[in-house]
Amino acid sequence: GNSVTQMEGPVTLSEEAFLTINCTYTATGYPSLFWYVQYPGEGLQLLLKATKADDKGSNKGFEATYRKETTSFHLEKGSVQVSDSAVYFCALSDWDDKIIFGKGTRLHILP
Amino acid sequence: DAGVTQSPTHLIKTRGQQVTLRCSPKSGHDTVSWYQQALGQGPQFIFQYYEEEERQRGNFPDRFSGHQFPNYSSELNVNALLLGDSALYLCASSLEAGGLNTEAFFGQGTRLTVV
Repeated sequence: GNSVTQMEGPVTLSEEAFLTINCTYTATGYPSLFWYVQYPGEGLQLLLKATKADDKGSNKGFEATYRKETTSFHLEKGSVQVSDSAVYFCALSDWDDKIIFGKGTRLHILP
Repeated sequence: DAGVTQSPTHLIKTRGQQVTLRCSPKSGHDTVSWYQQALGQGPQFIFQYYEEEERQRGNFPDRFSGHQFPNYSSELNVNALLLGDSALYLCASSLEAGGLNTEAFFGQGTRLTVV
């Protein structure tokens, strides 16, 4: 079945550092791919998405590119801020609209 | 627009009891999905409701049941609670459009603790 694997955390970085959170997926079809963010005490917010191969999703300085050949959707940001501290979930959705999530990566940004 | 609203925000129940969680979808949305997020884990799909019917279901026992009302709001019921049912329960709504669903919006969740 479909699945998502993302790097384990926590990830701790200093402010203005470069961020990469790795994500790979397994899917039988052609899924849409997502990154969701969960701030402390809050629900999930969609951060960015890509619906087909080679698409790049971007939002708030974060980017991820849908790589079909490597079945990856790595999240990147050039310069992180303290306010980016949260849990990040990579996810996919196939023809059935069910969203399958990775286990999440907790990110701590130090001032 | 109030977005997706869930109630209650927190709940404590005893093993063996039953619980009902509620969700009001974002205005204009007609599809509701429920997810269980255990501590330190990603959300797991429980089921999805559309046109007042369960359209698909994840790998959860029959103790988990749901309902969707004509106004698209939804309830999640869990019977015979187990300690392992302690989790954050998330509701997500979307709009069915021509066989595809639009972006899902999530509520802030209900934190259920079973003691």
